[in-house]
Amino acid sequence: GENVEQHPSTLSVQEGDSAVIKCTYSDSASNYFPWYKQELGKRPQLIIDIRSNVGEKKDQRIAVTLNKTAKHFSLHITETQPEDSAVYFCAALKGYQLTFGKGTKLSVIP
Amino acid sequence: KAGVTQTPRYLIKTRGQQVTLSCSPISGHRSVSWYQQTPGQGLQFLFEYFSETQRNKGNFPGRFSGRQFSNSRSEMNVSTLELGDSALYLCASSLEWVGEKLFFGSGTQLSVL
Repeated sequence: GENVEQHPSTLSVQEGDSAVIKCTYSDSASNYFPWYKQELGKRPQLIIDIRSNVGEKKDQRIAVTLNKTAKHFSLHITETQPEDSAVYFCAALKGYQLTFGKGTKLSVIP
Repeated sequence: KAGVTQTPRYLIKTRGQQVTLSCSPISGHRSVSWYQQTPGQGLQFLFEYFSETQRNKGNFPGRFSGRQFSNSRSEMNVSTLELGDSALYLCASSLEWVGEKLFFGSGTQLSVL
């Protein structure tokens, strides 16, 4: 089955700096790559996603890039704010199964 | 619109017992998927249902099962509970399949003693 590796597991940045989280996947048939944000004690929420026919997607301070050849995709957050502090999960979809990475705990220091 | 509702919110069971968790999706959503969340392991896919049919199952033992009713509500069952089954169980709903935005419930926190 699909295997998704996510790095780093923890990340601390100063407010205003950028944060980058990287994920690699194993199955080239995977074709949909969402990112979910889970704040402490809350449910995961979709923040951005990308399909395999697109190389990059942006939404305000958040962007995702996909490199199908290398089988990796990354989440970029610019001008980080304290409310960006959360656990971020990447995922890869093959067929009807969504495989998640183990998460990255992002701490934004004011 | 009401969000995804999971009941109960908390459960405490002992080893060997069985448990049933319930998930009511957002009205109009026909796909329901289930995930096990444990510290350090992220979200692990259990299964996905659409129109009362299981379309895929993750790498979990047969003790984990589920079903979906005609109104799209879903239940999952875990039989012969083990200590390692302690986790937060999340369900998510979407319109048609997991390849689109998932709306998660608040989860059921299961503790096996």
